[in-house]
Amino acid sequence: GAGVSQSPSNKVTEKGKDVELRCDPISGHTALYWYRQSLGQGLEFLIYFQGNSAPDKSGLPSDRFSAERTGGSVSTLTIQRTQQEDSAVYLCASSPNGVAGGEQYFGPGTRLTVT
Amino acid sequence: KNQVEQSPQSLIILEGKNCTLQCNYTVSPFSNLRWYKQDTGRGPVSLTIMTFSENTKSNGRYTATLDADTKQSSLHITASQLSDSASYICVVSRPFSGGYNKLIFGAGTRLAVHP
Repeated sequence: GAGVSQSPSNKVTEKGKDVELRCDPISGHTALYWYRQSLGQGLEFLIYFQGNSAPDKSGLPSDRFSAERTGGSVSTLTIQRTQQEDSAVYLCASSPNGVAGGEQYFGPGTRLTVT
Repeated sequence: KNQVEQSPQSLIILEGKNCTLQCNYTVSPFSNLRWYKQDTGRGPVSLTIMTFSENTKSNGRYTATLDADTKQSSLHITASQLSDSASYICVVSRPFSGGYNKLIFGAGTRLAVHP
């Protein structure tokens, strides 16, 4: 079956512009996660959705970052007034549920470059 | 502080040789430890998941070990192939309220297998 898909695969934007990144999880997966991977760094947790609610959004680095999930499926990560330090690969993952031991399936990521 | 440290940072080996990657963690409490393989430009793919009661788990030519007392894990790759060239990421799962697990990622070991 289809895996996690993300779009766009690459995004170049000017500093100060807003961007939207999209994640389509595996059908039926209730849990969805956003991560950020900066060059040479480990993945950094951003936000976790269970259904349409976000029980843990503690990883969002500033109020310029927000995310929503609709219909228990597609999620959008929005970055307002982008800064150069926002440049990174943004990865989305989904799992059948959020409980202990649950496997997370990752998408290919969106590479964001802020010029 | 909850941390996951990996060594070496990078490694070059010849095709057919074996290698061992190391992971030390200070995450507490602990649910499970995972090893992921991340090819360039792709999302991470799970290799193994181990709970604290498991000492070893194999997946083909990949064998992971876990010592929960010393908080150390290793990933051993046998008879390496060119396709093993990737980043290998150690990930520790930490339980949160409601049964949700947050993943804490190491920075990864970049492995290059040369012919």
